[in-house]
Amino acid sequence: NAGVTQTPKFRILKIGQSMTLQCTQDMNHNYMYWYRQDPGMGLKLIYYSVGAGITDKGEVPNGYNVSRSTTEDFPLRLELAAPSQTSVYFCASTLRQRGGGDTQYFGPGTRLTVL
Amino acid sequence: DQQVKQNSPSLSVQEGRISILNCDYTNSMFDYFLWYKKYPAEGPTFLISISSIKDKNEDGRFTVFLNKSAKHLSLHIVPSQPGDSAVYFCAAIDGGSNYKLTFGKGTLLTVNP
Repeated sequence: NAGVTQTPKFRILKIGQSMTLQCTQDMNHNYMYWYRQDPGMGLKLIYYSVGAGITDKGEVPNGYNVSRSTTEDFPLRLELAAPSQTSVYFCASTLRQRGGGDTQYFGPGTRLTVL
Repeated sequence: DQQVKQNSPSLSVQEGRISILNCDYTNSMFDYFLWYKKYPAEGPTFLISISSIKDKNEDGRFTVFLNKSAKHLSLHIVPSQPGDSAVYFCAAIDGGSNYKLTFGKGTLLTVNP
């Protein structure tokens, strides 16, 4: 198993450009999450999904969109990039089932700079 | 409003000694707590967890203690090794919140040979 994979690893955007951060997991996990980590800060939840076709906002959703058409994929879309979106983005997944499965597995991250 | 606080940004210990990382929380609805370890340019990796119905969980060199009345948990690493040098994040879950993690800001642990 590859676990949680993210592409790209690095990206530089100009203000106003758009892009999609890709996230794929091969563990058949039902829950998936997107976090961002700013320097010196903990991870903050952007969006999450409890299954294909179901998404919901986290703590900092403004400026982002997500979709979950399959169990495996959970892309994060930035429509109009702003310098405040400069951050490291982590995707995570977990198999949430009755009685357990709370451990989230993280991808390696995407480092995004908006200039 | 930080619900999970790690008040020590950094900690330095000698190899072989004990490392103690602390975490405080404010939300009484948190019922599951986790520690993650993060190396530079990598994603966080799960280390150890504890349910709110327990006060201690041990896994090899790692032990997590939970004091619910004080809303405090700690991670003990004994003995500390240079490979343990990383950022450690405390995280908490409110089971009624679709299992979203709330993270602290992290503590950078440096273990000196």
